[in-house]
Amino acid sequence: DAKTTQPTSMDCAEGRAANLPCNHSTISGNEYVYWYRQIHSQGPQYIIHGLKNNETNEMASLIITEDRKSSTLILPHATLRDTAVYYCIGGDGGSNYKLTFGKGTLLTVNP
Amino acid sequence: EPEVTQTPSHQVTQMGQEVILRCVPISNHLYFYWYRQILGQKVEFLVSFYNNEISEKSEIFDDQFSVERPDGSNFTLKIRSTKLEDSAMYFCASRPGQRVNYGYTFGSGTRLTVV
Repeated sequence: DAKTTQPTSMDCAEGRAANLPCNHSTISGNEYVYWYRQIHSQGPQYIIHGLKNNETNEMASLIITEDRKSSTLILPHATLRDTAVYYCIGGDGGSNYKLTFGKGTLLTVNP
Repeated sequence: EPEVTQTPSHQVTQMGQEVILRCVPISNHLYFYWYRQILGQKVEFLVSFYNNEISEKSEIFDDQFSVERPDGSNFTLKIRSTKLEDSAMYFCASRPGQRVNYGYTFGSGTRLTVV
C-alpha cells in the first residue's frame, strides 16, 4: 500500500471550508485514495475515495492532482461536529484489501 | 442507516482470563474485520474473515486470538488468556463485497481493560 503523509494538525473556523492535504507520491496506478475520519475514539467512518478523477458526495469533495502524488479532502462548510482525526489511506480495494491507518490529521473546528 | 453493532461497550477483565468480544455486522456484508487501537496510538489491523475463514491476519493476531462466525449473524473475537498489553479499543468492521467502491463500516468499539 502507498505510504501517505499528512500534517499532524489543522484548525478551521466553523462555517468555513476545511482543506486537508495528503501526499502519496509512491501511490501506484491501481491504488485508490481513501479518506476516513475518527471522532474521539469512536469507530472510523468512511468519507470518500477516488482514483484519478475528483469526487464529491454528501460529506466531502476529493481533489486528486493530475500526477496523483497528492490530494485534498474538502469539507465545504465545517461544523464543530467535524472535529476529528482524518486519515488518508492508499490501497487497491481488492478482496484482501485491509486499511492501514497512519496518524492522520487532527482537524479542530473552532466556533 | 445500517450499523455494525458491538457488545459490550466496555469490558474489564483480570489478566489471564478469557474474553469474547461480539459484533453483529451489517446483514448483507461478506467481509469482516477486527481492528484495535491502544490508547493514543494508531488503529491497527488484526484479522480479516471471508467465507467462514480467516483471509489475512497480522503479527498481533497470535495464538491467543481467534475469530468465529458461529451463527451467520454474529462475528466474535476471543482472546484466550488476556495480558495487560491487550488493553485497547477493539473495532469490528464489515464490507459488502470486494469492489473498490465499498467502504468499510465500523462499529463503535469495545473498550477492553485488562487489570
